[in-house]
Parts: sequence; C-alpha cells; structure tokens
Amino acid sequence: DVKVTQSSRYLVKRTGEKVFLECVQDMDHENMFWYRQDPGLGLRLIYFSYDVKMKEKGDIPEGYSVSREKKERFSLILESASTNQTSMYLCASSSTTLATQYFGPGTRLTVT
Amino acid sequence: KQEVTQIPAALSVPEGENLVLNCSFTDSAIYNLQWFRQDPGKGLTSLLLIQSSQREQTSGRLNASLDKSSGRSTLYIAASQPGDSATYLCAVANDYKLSFGAGTTVTVRA
Repeated sequence: DVKVTQSSRYLVKRTGEKVFLECVQDMDHENMFWYRQDPGLGLRLIYFSYDVKMKEKGDIPEGYSVSREKKERFSLILESASTNQTSMYLCASSSTTLATQYFGPGTRLTVT
Repeated sequence: KQEVTQIPAALSVPEGENLVLNCSFTDSAIYNLQWFRQDPGKGLTSLLLIQSSQREQTSGRLNASLDKSSGRSTLYIAASQPGDSATYLCAVANDYKLSFGAGTTVTVRA
C-alpha cells in the first residue's frame, strides 16, 4: 500500500513566521503535489514536482515555495505566514503524471 | 479553464438505498477522471480512476461511468451503508493537473 505521511496534523503559527510543511512518500513515486483545501473553494494546486529539484507552479503559488532534494520528500514553505494562509494542506504523490494520486492525511494550519 | 461541478452538494438516504452522484466538466479534452472519498478532517482516498477511452469502471459496490463527449460522470454506490457516509469528490485530469469538484456530502441513515 502506498503511504504518504505529513509531518503534522495540526499546526498553529504566528503571522510573519516561516513555516515548513513536510511530506514523505514510500512508493518511489516520481510526482508529488501540494494542494490547499478551503470551504467553498475546493482543492487547489499550489505546486507540483515531477523529479528531484524540479517543480512547476500550480494555480495558487503566490506566497509559497517548495523544495524537493530527495525523491521521497517534498516540502512546502511559507516564507512569511499570513492569516489568509490558514487552511488544510494536502500532499499527494503519483507514479506517473496521469496515474492515481495518493493523498496524505493533511495538515490543518492556523495562522494567528 | 476546466470547471468541475458536482450536484447535489449534499444527500441523505436511508441505509440500503442506491446512491447516485453526479459530476460534470466543461472541457472534454481530459486524460482521465478520478473519484475520491474524504472523511471529515482527513485526506482523500482514491476510489476509481476512469481513463478517457473507457466508459465505466467498477470496484465492488462502486461503479463509475464516463461520457466524455457530454462532459459527465456518475458514481453509483449500491446498497448504501452508514460507513459510506463521507464527502465524494470527482477530479478531471488535463495534463498533470487535476481539477476538483466541490464534492457531494453523503449521509447514510441507519
């Protein structure tokens, strides 16, 4: 079974803090994704990585950056957290670009 | 820009009834369509993936159909159980990007 884990289930940070969200997958998948999910807006893609050190912007990359130094690990970075980044963050991975995406349990981030 | 719509937004049925969930999309040039289940406060679990060349896909009590030309997919869940209570999301793939619907929240009453 594919396992995607995220470093925290719940996180509370202050405005202006630098925030790191970590995601690890154990199936040697090429592709990894970061989404955020908000009521009324659904899931929106923040960033996508198709290989180590490779990334593509999604629909809402502003205010975020990513890092993929190892194949199994994909990090989402909020350089200076703001209250409008309070959300549920979901990581996913897939073996190929069009294959089934497997999701982690999510991190609920609150920025105060 | 791909728009994905799921109707109804919420559904409540008695146990044993069959469920019919609808998904429509505006751009028919898709590679595949996926159905996911999400329990409250949790991540998404993949249920079915239908390739654009397929008409339907089945797994146990779940059956999903795809009519690409009309931009529609339907997820059928036979003989619903209380454990089927969750939010069901459909997502369509245009290249590497998935576009998600807002979901249908299902409650199965015992």
